[in-house]
Amino acid sequence: DGGITQSPKYLFRKEGQNVTLSCEQNLNHDAMYWYRQDPGQGLRLIYYSQIVNDFQKGDIAEGYSVSREKKESFPLTVTSAQKNPTAFYLCASSNPAGAVFNEQFFGPGTRLTVL
Amino acid sequence: QKEVEQNSGPLSVPEGAIASLNCTYSDRVSQSFFWYRQYSGKSPELIMSIYSNGDKEDGRFTAQLNKASQYVSLLIRDSQPSDSATYLCAGNNFNKFYFGSGTKLNVKP
Repeated sequence: DGGITQSPKYLFRKEGQNVTLSCEQNLNHDAMYWYRQDPGQGLRLIYYSQIVNDFQKGDIAEGYSVSREKKESFPLTVTSAQKNPTAFYLCASSNPAGAVFNEQFFGPGTRLTVL
Repeated sequence: QKEVEQNSGPLSVPEGAIASLNCTYSDRVSQSFFWYRQYSGKSPELIMSIYSNGDKEDGRFTAQLNKASQYVSLLIRDSQPSDSATYLCAGNNFNKFYFGSGTKLNVKP
């Protein structure tokens, strides 16, 4: 059953704590993305990666870090430098730009709350 | 100007009517266009993709693309209460995707 999994579904962070959100896909997609969604708002791009061992900052990368050591995995770390991290975090993946159909698919999301 | 713009709504239609959702885009978005449905508290679900000018139909959904006017629309025929959700319009330029802020659709029984 192909798809994108994210864990955990809910995550609580204390002040000053780093937390890591997991994202795994078995769609054999090259490109992976992290978005943040605040209540009633659209999606904002945090980081994206087009290939293993390479990634680019999106529009709101400050306070976040990523790695792409495997094609299937793109974990996101929310560091203590991110002052307002409470949001819904969405991981997505797509085929490379040269593919005939480069649709983007989303995982189920992780809801992060700062205590 | 944002790359992809949508009216936030809400758009209210009676059950059985046609719902029309619209989206405009900038020159930075040039390749393909997508419509996603997002239920409250859930992640976006891809419902339509369109790559060339004209109409594309899939069941009760029709996507329309007009590249000269930089305009994309989604028509939902025979709207059902279960169609009530936020609809996100998106476009891409190579591996960068741009999303509108979404239009909230309410289908009233």
